[in-house]
Amino acid sequence: SAVISQKPSRDICQRGTSLTIQCQVDSQVTMMFWYRQQPGQSLTLIATANQGSEATYESGFVIDKFPISRPNLTFSTLTVSNMSPEDSSIYLCSVDDPRGFTDTQYFGPGTRLTVL
Amino acid sequence: GQQLNQSPQSMFIQEGEDVSMNCTSSSIFNTWLWYKQDPGEGPVLLIALYKAGELTSNGRLTAQFGITRKDSFLNISASIPSDVGIYFCAGQNKYNNNDMRFGAGTRLTVKP
Repeated sequence: SAVISQKPSRDICQRGTSLTIQCQVDSQVTMMFWYRQQPGQSLTLIATANQGSEATYESGFVIDKFPISRPNLTFSTLTVSNMSPEDSSIYLCSVDDPRGFTDTQYFGPGTRLTVL
Repeated sequence: GQQLNQSPQSMFIQEGEDVSMNCTSSSIFNTWLWYKQDPGEGPVLLIALYKAGELTSNGRLTAQFGITRKDSFLNISASIPSDVGIYFCAGQNKYNNNDMRFGAGTRLTVKP
Protein backbone atom coordinates (compact mmCIF):
# COMPACT_ATOMS: atom_id res chain seq x y z
CA SER A 1 0.00 0.00 0.00
CA ALA A 2 0.97 3.68 -0.04
CA VAL A 3 1.32 6.18 2.78
CA ILE A 4 -0.55 9.34 1.89
CA SER A 5 -0.59 12.65 3.73
CA GLN A 6 -2.77 15.69 3.15
CA LYS A 7 -2.37 19.28 4.24
CA PRO A 8 -4.18 20.96 5.81
CA SER A 9 -6.12 18.38 7.78
CA ARG A 10 -8.90 20.90 8.29
CA ASP A 11 -9.62 24.55 7.66
CA ILE A 12 -12.33 27.13 8.15
CA CYS A 13 -12.50 29.64 5.32
CA GLN A 14 -14.46 32.69 4.38
CA ARG A 15 -16.80 32.83 1.43
CA GLY A 16 -15.11 34.00 -1.76
CA THR A 17 -11.61 32.88 -0.82
CA SER A 18 -9.62 29.94 -2.19
CA LEU A 19 -7.88 27.05 -0.48
CA THR A 20 -5.18 24.79 -1.88
CA ILE A 21 -4.98 21.25 -0.53
CA GLN A 22 -1.78 19.27 -0.86
CA CYS A 23 -1.45 15.52 -1.25
CA GLN A 24 1.89 13.78 -0.79
CA VAL A 25 2.51 10.06 -1.29
CA ASP A 26 5.57 8.10 -0.20
CA SER A 27 5.91 6.20 -3.49
CA GLN A 28 5.76 7.12 -7.13
CA VAL A 29 2.28 6.50 -8.48
CA THR A 30 0.82 6.78 -11.91
CA MET A 31 -2.60 8.08 -11.05
CA MET A 32 -3.83 10.38 -8.32
CA PHE A 33 -7.47 11.13 -7.72
CA TRP A 34 -9.40 13.82 -5.90
CA TYR A 35 -12.74 13.11 -4.26
CA ARG A 36 -15.32 15.14 -2.42
CA GLN A 37 -17.37 13.71 0.45
CA GLN A 38 -20.21 15.94 1.53
CA PRO A 39 -21.49 15.55 5.10
CA GLY A 40 -23.06 12.15 5.61
CA GLN A 41 -22.58 11.22 1.96
CA SER A 42 -20.50 8.86 -0.11
CA LEU A 43 -17.46 9.78 -2.15
CA THR A 44 -17.74 11.59 -5.47
CA LEU A 45 -14.82 11.74 -7.87
CA ILE A 46 -13.83 15.28 -8.81
CA ALA A 47 -10.96 14.57 -11.18
CA THR A 48 -8.06 12.33 -12.07
CA ALA A 49 -4.63 13.94 -11.97
CA ASN A 50 -1.96 12.46 -14.21
CA GLN A 51 1.60 13.70 -14.21
CA GLY A 52 2.51 15.61 -17.34
CA SER A 53 -1.01 16.18 -18.56
CA GLU A 54 -4.09 18.14 -17.64
CA ALA A 55 -6.44 16.67 -15.09
CA THR A 56 -9.55 14.89 -16.30
CA TYR A 57 -12.68 16.23 -14.64
CA GLU A 58 -15.90 14.41 -13.94
CA SER A 59 -19.26 15.75 -14.99
CA GLY A 60 -20.28 18.63 -12.77
CA PHE A 61 -16.74 19.69 -11.90
CA VAL A 62 -14.77 22.29 -13.83
CA ILE A 63 -11.16 23.38 -13.89
CA ASP A 64 -11.91 26.99 -13.03
CA LYS A 65 -13.52 25.94 -9.76
CA PHE A 66 -11.15 23.05 -8.90
CA PRO A 67 -7.76 23.63 -10.53
CA ILE A 68 -5.38 20.73 -10.02
CA SER A 69 -1.63 20.45 -10.29
CA ARG A 70 0.45 17.27 -10.64
CA PRO A 71 4.07 18.38 -10.88
CA ASN A 72 5.59 14.95 -10.23
CA LEU A 73 4.75 11.34 -9.44
CA THR A 74 4.41 11.82 -5.67
CA PHE A 75 2.54 15.12 -5.29
CA SER A 76 -0.66 16.84 -6.30
CA THR A 77 -2.69 19.85 -5.26
CA LEU A 78 -6.37 20.65 -5.48
CA THR A 79 -7.56 24.24 -5.17
CA VAL A 80 -11.12 25.03 -4.20
CA SER A 81 -11.71 28.46 -5.71
CA ASN A 82 -14.15 31.23 -4.84
CA MET A 83 -15.60 29.13 -2.06
CA SER A 84 -19.19 29.13 -0.91
CA PRO A 85 -20.80 27.29 2.03
CA GLU A 86 -21.86 24.54 -0.42
CA ASP A 87 -18.17 23.66 -0.79
CA SER A 88 -18.02 22.55 2.83
CA SER A 89 -16.94 18.93 2.55
CA ILE A 90 -14.16 16.49 3.17
CA TYR A 91 -11.73 16.46 0.27
CA LEU A 92 -9.79 13.24 -0.19
CA CYS A 93 -6.94 12.33 -2.44
CA SER A 94 -6.27 8.77 -3.44
CA VAL A 95 -3.63 6.96 -5.47
CA ASP A 96 -3.48 3.78 -7.44
CA ASP A 97 -1.27 0.90 -6.34
CA PRO A 98 2.35 2.10 -6.53
CA ARG A 99 3.43 -1.38 -7.52
CA GLY A 100 1.08 -1.17 -10.46
CA PHE A 101 -0.04 -4.75 -9.87
CA THR A 102 -3.60 -4.26 -8.75
CA ASP A 103 -6.61 -2.12 -9.53
CA THR A 104 -6.84 -0.60 -6.09
CA GLN A 105 -6.98 2.89 -4.65
CA TYR A 106 -5.55 4.01 -1.33
CA PHE A 107 -6.85 7.12 0.38
CA GLY A 108 -5.32 9.93 2.32
CA PRO A 109 -6.78 11.06 5.65
CA GLY A 110 -8.82 13.85 4.05
CA THR A 111 -9.10 17.61 4.46
CA ARG A 112 -12.17 18.81 6.28
CA LEU A 113 -13.23 22.17 4.84
CA THR A 114 -15.81 24.46 6.38
CA VAL A 115 -16.83 27.58 4.48
CA LEU A 116 -18.57 30.32 6.40
CA GLY B 1 -22.66 6.91 -14.96
CA GLN B 2 -22.53 3.55 -13.25
CA GLN B 3 -24.48 3.45 -10.00
CA LEU B 4 -23.92 1.20 -7.04
CA ASN B 5 -26.75 0.22 -4.73
CA GLN B 6 -25.48 -0.59 -1.27
CA SER B 7 -27.65 -2.06 1.46
CA PRO B 8 -28.51 -1.81 4.18
CA GLN B 9 -28.01 1.90 4.85
CA SER B 10 -27.48 1.26 8.54
CA MET B 11 -27.31 -1.60 10.98
CA PHE B 12 -27.58 -1.78 14.75
CA ILE B 13 -26.30 -5.05 16.14
CA GLN B 14 -25.16 -6.61 19.37
CA GLU B 15 -21.53 -7.38 19.95
CA GLY B 16 -20.82 -10.93 18.81
CA GLU B 17 -23.39 -10.97 16.03
CA ASP B 18 -22.55 -11.50 12.38
CA VAL B 19 -23.13 -8.76 9.81
CA SER B 20 -23.80 -8.90 6.09
CA MET B 21 -23.96 -6.06 3.59
CA ASN B 22 -23.99 -6.03 -0.18
CA CYS B 23 -23.68 -3.95 -3.30
CA THR B 24 -25.27 -4.36 -6.69
CA SER B 25 -24.73 -2.58 -9.97
CA SER B 26 -26.40 -2.35 -13.32
CA SER B 27 -22.97 -2.46 -14.94
CA ILE B 28 -20.04 -4.82 -14.80
CA PHE B 29 -16.93 -4.07 -12.81
CA ASN B 30 -13.64 -5.91 -12.98
CA THR B 31 -12.64 -5.03 -9.43
CA TRP B 32 -14.71 -4.80 -6.27
CA LEU B 33 -13.32 -3.12 -3.19
CA TRP B 34 -14.57 -2.76 0.37
CA TYR B 35 -13.48 0.17 2.54
CA LYS B 36 -14.13 1.21 6.12
CA GLN B 37 -14.20 4.85 7.18
CA ASP B 38 -13.92 5.97 10.78
CA PRO B 39 -15.04 9.48 11.77
CA GLY B 40 -12.54 12.12 10.68
CA GLU B 41 -10.48 9.65 8.68
CA GLY B 42 -10.09 8.61 5.07
CA PRO B 43 -11.43 5.25 3.86
CA VAL B 44 -9.19 2.30 4.63
CA LEU B 45 -9.09 -0.63 2.25
CA LEU B 46 -10.37 -3.86 3.83
CA ILE B 47 -10.62 -6.33 0.97
CA ALA B 48 -10.00 -6.20 -2.77
CA LEU B 49 -11.57 -8.67 -5.21
CA TYR B 50 -10.31 -9.13 -8.75
CA LYS B 51 -12.04 -12.18 -10.21
CA ALA B 52 -15.68 -13.14 -10.64
CA GLY B 53 -16.59 -15.71 -8.01
CA GLU B 54 -13.58 -14.88 -5.84
CA LEU B 55 -14.10 -15.32 -2.12
CA THR B 56 -11.53 -13.57 0.07
CA SER B 57 -11.10 -13.33 3.83
CA ASN B 58 -9.27 -10.85 6.01
CA GLY B 59 -9.56 -11.96 9.62
CA ARG B 60 -13.23 -11.83 10.58
CA LEU B 61 -14.13 -10.24 7.25
CA THR B 62 -15.14 -12.20 4.17
CA ALA B 63 -16.09 -10.72 0.82
CA GLN B 64 -17.15 -12.21 -2.49
CA PHE B 65 -17.08 -10.97 -6.07
CA GLY B 66 -20.35 -12.02 -7.67
CA ILE B 67 -20.36 -14.38 -10.63
CA THR B 68 -22.20 -11.86 -12.79
CA ARG B 69 -19.55 -9.21 -11.89
CA LYS B 70 -22.41 -6.91 -10.93
CA ASP B 71 -22.49 -7.52 -7.20
CA SER B 72 -20.44 -8.15 -4.10
CA PHE B 73 -21.07 -8.82 -0.44
CA LEU B 74 -19.12 -8.29 2.77
CA ASN B 75 -19.62 -10.36 5.90
CA ILE B 76 -18.26 -9.56 9.34
CA SER B 77 -18.33 -12.39 11.84
CA ALA B 78 -18.44 -12.07 15.63
CA SER B 79 -18.62 -8.26 15.59
CA ILE B 80 -16.74 -6.21 18.17
CA PRO B 81 -17.17 -2.55 19.20
CA SER B 82 -14.25 -1.38 17.03
CA ASP B 83 -16.15 -2.57 13.95
CA VAL B 84 -18.25 0.57 14.28
CA GLY B 85 -17.92 2.82 11.25
CA ILE B 86 -19.14 3.32 7.72
CA TYR B 87 -18.45 0.60 5.18
CA PHE B 88 -18.28 1.48 1.51
CA CYS B 89 -18.25 -0.79 -1.48
CA ALA B 90 -16.54 0.40 -4.64
CA GLY B 91 -16.46 -0.96 -8.13
CA GLN B 92 -13.65 -0.17 -10.51
CA ASN B 93 -13.50 -0.49 -14.27
CA LYS B 94 -9.93 -0.48 -15.51
CA TYR B 95 -11.13 -0.34 -19.08
CA ASN B 96 -12.73 3.02 -18.40
CA ASN B 97 -9.75 5.04 -17.14
CA ASN B 98 -9.87 3.16 -13.80
CA ASP B 99 -13.23 4.73 -13.15
CA MET B 100 -14.28 3.92 -9.59
CA ARG B 101 -17.78 4.29 -8.20
CA PHE B 102 -18.79 4.11 -4.55
CA GLY B 103 -21.86 2.85 -2.83
CA ALA B 104 -23.71 5.11 -0.43
CA GLY B 105 -22.24 3.31 2.58
CA THR B 106 -23.50 1.13 5.41
CA ARG B 107 -23.29 2.70 8.85
CA LEU B 108 -22.61 -0.01 11.41
CA THR B 109 -23.30 0.43 15.12
CA VAL B 110 -22.25 -2.32 17.52
CA LYS B 111 -23.79 -2.33 20.97
CA PRO B 112 -21.63 -3.87 23.69
